Amino acid sequence: AQSVTQLDSHVSVSEGTPVLLRCNYSSSYSPSLFWYVQHPNKGLQLLLKYTSAATLVKGINGFEAEFKKSETSFHLTKPSAHMSDAAEYFCVVSPSGYALNFGKGTSLLVTP
Amino acid sequence: DGGITQSPKYLFRKEGQNVTLSCEQNLNHDAMYWYRQDPGQGLRLIYYSQIVNDFQKGDIAEGYSVSREKKESFPLTVTSAQKNPTAFYLCASSPRVIGGAHTDTQYFGPGTRLTVL
Repeated sequence: AQSVTQLDSHVSVSEGTPVLLRCNYSSSYSPSLFWYVQHPNKGLQLLLKYTSAATLVKGINGFEAEFKKSETSFHLTKPSAHMSDAAEYFCVVSPSGYALNFGKGTSLLVTP
Repeated sequence: DGGITQSPKYLFRKEGQNVTLSCEQNLNHDAMYWYRQDPGQGLRLIYYSQIVNDFQKGDIAEGYSVSREKKESFPLTVTSAQKNPTAFYLCASSPRVIGGAHTDTQYFGPGTRLTVL
């Protein structure tokens, strides 16, 4: 079965410093992987998607993620955090053609 | 504007009552999904539909029902049989369902927060 583990439930960074949100996946074959962001009481917005075309995936708002098969990781990064980045982030794997398996989320806090 | 709409944004229900959550999309997507989100949890799949007049149970379908009479609409009914219905409910859609390792991106609505009093 395909699943993801988000290694940190909460991450706190200062504005202007780098962001690293960690995600490991388990899969018996090359998966589709996603990062979604959710602001309070809102729906989910797609940040980026990996589908084997390139291991470094660039997303919206300056985020990117690198697929590392040897480490089964798909960590999300951003060089410089902004206050508006404070939100819940979900790492997601697609096990089949119809459903997504979500990680439990990482809450990102950005302090001034 | 193209997108997914969910209504209402907040919903209150008395115990023992059924309630229906609306989800509409004008993206011409074939597939639609309902997820439930609880605090500190990821999203869990309730039901999904790949085409009109067809739907499948997800991981936590007990106490819920759906219909898909039109391509653009996928309402979810939370029945009195659902033991713990208080949660945030998210509807999503995707252009089509593809078997195998890859799937199309799912696009989410703004959600409905249901509270049982």
